[in-house]
Amino acid sequence: EADIYQTPRYLVIGTGKKITLECSQTMGHDKMYWYQQDPGMELHLIHYSYGVNSTEKGDLSSESTVSRIRTEHFPLTLESARPSHTSQYLCASREYMNTEAFFGQGTRLTVV
Amino acid sequence: AQSVTQPDIHITVSEGASLELRCNYSYGATPYLFWYVQSPGQGLQLLLKYFSGDTLVQGIKGFEAEFKRSQSSFNLRKPSVHWSDAAEYFCAVGAHNNDMRFGAGTRLTVKP
Repeated sequence: EADIYQTPRYLVIGTGKKITLECSQTMGHDKMYWYQQDPGMELHLIHYSYGVNSTEKGDLSSESTVSRIRTEHFPLTLESARPSHTSQYLCASREYMNTEAFFGQGTRLTVV
Repeated sequence: AQSVTQPDIHITVSEGASLELRCNYSYGATPYLFWYVQSPGQGLQLLLKYFSGDTLVQGIKGFEAEFKRSQSSFNLRKPSVHWSDAAEYFCAVGAHNNDMRFGAGTRLTVKP
């Protein structure tokens, strides 16, 4: 069983608030990823990281930021939440380029 | 960047019938290819992966997939579908720059 955890599982927040979605893994994986997924839709890569102090932007990164200060922790921050941010956010990690990604259970965010 | 196309948004099959889900990728080098399954409200679970060697790979739950370089395809198959296979299926391609992209997914409905 994968040891990757996301908190919170569900979050309802008002427009304009700053929020941080947490993701932690205990597998020692260098590579970590954030995806955004609307119900029944594809996964969009938001950010990814090769290791500590390295982050890269994906396709939908312009409204969020990430940090990678520790190997096990890869938080995603929305500086000012908007209703368009309502979605599910999935965090994943993997060890090497040719190994599978392990996913967390996701955070379902609703911005009202 | 690499990309993945899953041409079928929704497929319905009868229980016991065979299944094939299509996946085409675009990438300049030999890709790392994956199939994941997602049940409602859950994270993604790996079904199988390919990165080298035998082009026919076996996975969990009786699934298999075949890598065809000439067609840039990695189709998922199962000889006999069970009602519990109803879920969303995602094809993914991993690149040598560490990022990982997913297709739009195919939703599988299984008729009794």
